[in-house]
Amino acid sequence: SQQGEEDPQALSIQEGENATMNCSYKTSINNLQWYRQNSGRGLVHLILIRSNEREKHSGRLRVTLDTSKKSSSLLITASRAADTASYFCAVTGGGNKLTFGTGTQLKVEL
Amino acid sequence: EAGVAQSPRYKIIEKRQSVAFWCNPISGHATLYWYQQILGQGPKLLIQFQNNGVVDDSQLPKDRFSAERLKGVDSTLKIQPAKLEDSAVYLCASSLERKGNEQFFGPGTRLTVL
Repeated sequence: SQQGEEDPQALSIQEGENATMNCSYKTSINNLQWYRQNSGRGLVHLILIRSNEREKHSGRLRVTLDTSKKSSSLLITASRAADTASYFCAVTGGGNKLTFGTGTQLKVEL
Repeated sequence: EAGVAQSPRYKIIEKRQSVAFWCNPISGHATLYWYQQILGQGPKLLIQFQNNGVVDDSQLPKDRFSAERLKGVDSTLKIQPAKLEDSAVYLCASSLERKGNEQFFGPGTRLTVL
């Protein structure tokens, strides 16, 4: 079974609103990564947060990590239509093996 | 810099036929991965290479799937014979050798088995 589970499975918002997606995982991790996937550009790395970090920012993205709860959240602020995509969290345990979650489908409407 | 290249982009075959996918990673990336992504799910790692050696193939169905990475650069993934449940997108990714760093994905090959 996949390590990460995203919540919600689907999210629809208006352009300009914020979008929050959550990810839960089961075992100890070295880091957690978020990826975006759309039909035009494939799977693209967004941000990586290490197990000893609690929060990280990159442009309009903010990621938090709570290792005690084995959970992470991805916040996209001031969303745009171009943010419409599927978002996956992926955790790295030993080595460099990534285990992906099931994804959140985000739709940003004009 | 050039990204991860994959071919073909689409492939339709009948069950019990064979198929092969090709991947060329980013230059200098020692680690190469093949993932299977079934519709509606996240990618699942099939096999991981470090240079031309296999690091992890625990989820590769070895009775029908095989992969190689000759000379530590390009890689091919083969399915023989294909089953209906093999219909999926096959993604290739590469990364630098350091542990835990980001992976760069190719556009994928969408396989349909009829």
